[in-house]
Amino acid sequence: SAVISQKPSRDICQRGTSLTIQCQVDSQVTMMFWYRQQPGQSLTLIATANQGSEATYESGFVIDKFPISRPNLTFSTLTVSNMSPEDSSIYLCSVERRQGYTFGSGTRLTVV
Amino acid sequence: KQEVTQIPAALSVPEGENLVLNCSFTDSAIYNLQWFRQDPGKGLTSLLLIQSSQREQTSGRLNASLDKSSGRSTLYIAASQPGDSATYLCAVSGAGNMLTFGGGTRLMVKP
Repeated sequence: SAVISQKPSRDICQRGTSLTIQCQVDSQVTMMFWYRQQPGQSLTLIATANQGSEATYESGFVIDKFPISRPNLTFSTLTVSNMSPEDSSIYLCSVERRQGYTFGSGTRLTVV
Repeated sequence: KQEVTQIPAALSVPEGENLVLNCSFTDSAIYNLQWFRQDPGKGLTSLLLIQSSQREQTSGRLNASLDKSSGRSTLYIAASQPGDSATYLCAVSGAGNMLTFGGGTRLMVKP
């Protein structure tokens, strides 16, 4: 299955600042997916990122808050903007392969 | 809209027990179903993938079944070990390559 390198693995950030999370895949993929997992909850899809086009956001998520870049077929970034304590979550990227979906190791974000 | 439910939400068993985790989904038009394991604060590790045309998949002590018509899947763990302690997540893939997750089952296997 695909290997995804996600960083940072964790961060503690001040409210009002922004954090950019990076995911690097070991092979080319058409779509990359970004998820949020709030404390004690399951995963919720934030957006789908296609190379060369604007990301598609799910209901409740907007580009101004979660801008996404997809400059090529192996890389994507998710920025959490103007953070508040409610943004404290684990953020994960994912790709789909023949063997199913593979996830990055996650970014554990704490906003203080 | 697809909804995925996992029962039980939490489970504590003594080491060596065989156990069954349940997953149900409301829309049977799925491409596949995948079981994941998540350790606290970590990412997801894929355990088993069942295509919509398949009935079950096995890997070591794990066996997952799929009954698409009734919207159910089970994950069977044989001879549980303390190292199996984790949260187990069921997810179904449907239109738009979208994965919908269940709420997970938190498993604790006591030595």
